[in-house]
Amino acid sequence: DTEVTQTPKHLVMGMTNKKSLKCEQHMGHRAMYWYKQKAKKPPELMFVYSYEKLSINESVPSRFSPECPNSSLLNLHLHALQPEDSALYLCASSQVGGQSYGYTFGSGTRLTVV
Amino acid sequence: AQSVTQLDSQVPVFEEAPVELRCNYSSSVSVYLFWYVQYPNQGLQLLLKYLSGSTLVKGINGFEAEFNKSQTSFHLRKPSVHISDTAEYFCAASYSGAGSYQLTFGKGTKLSVIP
Repeated sequence: DTEVTQTPKHLVMGMTNKKSLKCEQHMGHRAMYWYKQKAKKPPELMFVYSYEKLSINESVPSRFSPECPNSSLLNLHLHALQPEDSALYLCASSQVGGQSYGYTFGSGTRLTVV
Repeated sequence: AQSVTQLDSQVPVFEEAPVELRCNYSSSVSVYLFWYVQYPNQGLQLLLKYLSGSTLVKGINGFEAEFNKSQTSFHLRKPSVHISDTAEYFCAASYSGAGSYQLTFGKGTKLSVIP
């Protein structure tokens, strides 16, 4: 299995809703990432988990709450989002020390906040 | 700060013609370089990577890239493009010492293949 699976593929939510994005990989990767990508822009790093512990938080607003319940799963909990949070959210994984291996990306969740 | 520059935001090219997508990176003692492709409404797929060794790197779908340290470039090439190559292409770099997890992306190049 060489894939990163993200669900759902599309999500529309209101500004008062609570929702979660899910990401799963079975490649034995111990580093997992959340990226945000706006239209016609490169991905922007949000969070990094290494060995299931949060190692990088790129000053992301608290309305985004990541969780890594085990080495295969990564969640992103969403609450009280704003319309400007609408974007493609990408999950990725890699070996720890990922720069020498590259990253495997999922297909993303297209989020629309209304 | 480390940076990656993709010199062209859009590249139109006729089908079966060759193409080169340009990428320059800020110099570093140790850098790893990647090219990713993103099809519409998809995630990023790794095309190829340079870690060390041979400066000519071959990837998937007939793409190749050449690492040029003196010019700090990592240009992507394909000798004959197909309609299916229409996509966004991102050059990315990871710098030793910058943190094991940081990927610096260029702004992307939109390749449009014209029938």
